Amino acid sequence: EAGVTQSPTHLIKTRGQQATLRCSPISGHTSVYWYQQALGLGLQFLLWYDEGEERNRGNFPPRFSGRQFPNYSSELNVNALELEDSALYLCASSFGAATYEQYFGPGTRLTVT
Amino acid sequence: KNQVEQSPQSLIILEGKNCTLQCNYTVSPFSNLRWYKQDTGRGPVSLTIMTFSENTKSNGRYTATLDADTKQSSLHITASQLSDSASYICVVSGRSTLGRLYFGRGTQLTVWP
Repeated sequence: EAGVTQSPTHLIKTRGQQATLRCSPISGHTSVYWYQQALGLGLQFLLWYDEGEERNRGNFPPRFSGRQFPNYSSELNVNALELEDSALYLCASSFGAATYEQYFGPGTRLTVT
Repeated sequence: KNQVEQSPQSLIILEGKNCTLQCNYTVSPFSNLRWYKQDTGRGPVSLTIMTFSENTKSNGRYTATLDADTKQSSLHITASQLSDSASYICVVSGRSTLGRLYFGRGTQLTVWP
């Protein structure tokens, strides 16, 4: 069974540009979570989507947004990129909203120059 | 404020030795606590998950303990191997914040031959 996949693996953008990151959950999983892991810091919760709806949001500005598609895959969009947005962005999926276990993808390394 | 604190920040041990990592949390009301292993540049992989009614859980050479009264957990690694070199992250879920996880910054473990 395929795990959570993310694309691209690496992304390099310049300040002010927009970045789009993609995530495909494990087959059968309806919930997708996005996390930011900046260098030397712990994972910070960004967004949670379930059944196409945004269910919860972390303490990030509105320029971080996303969506979940009917096939449960998800996009994370970051507008007006800033240098401090450089980080590893991790996507996780789970079977249903109340399940304990979240399975993580390999991440997208975003570098803003 | 919901927080998860881990210690030590980093640890170096010799192959074959045991070690114990600590986690203190303030997340309330508590739902469950997980330990993840994260190799550099990769997504976290779950090691154990415990609810408030469980006080110990093992996964091979990894044994996690939980004291829900003092809000403390530990991860004990027995007979360490070079492949154990990674970041070990303590993650807590709260009952009132469905879908949202609170992450510690991790303990960076290095195992030397």
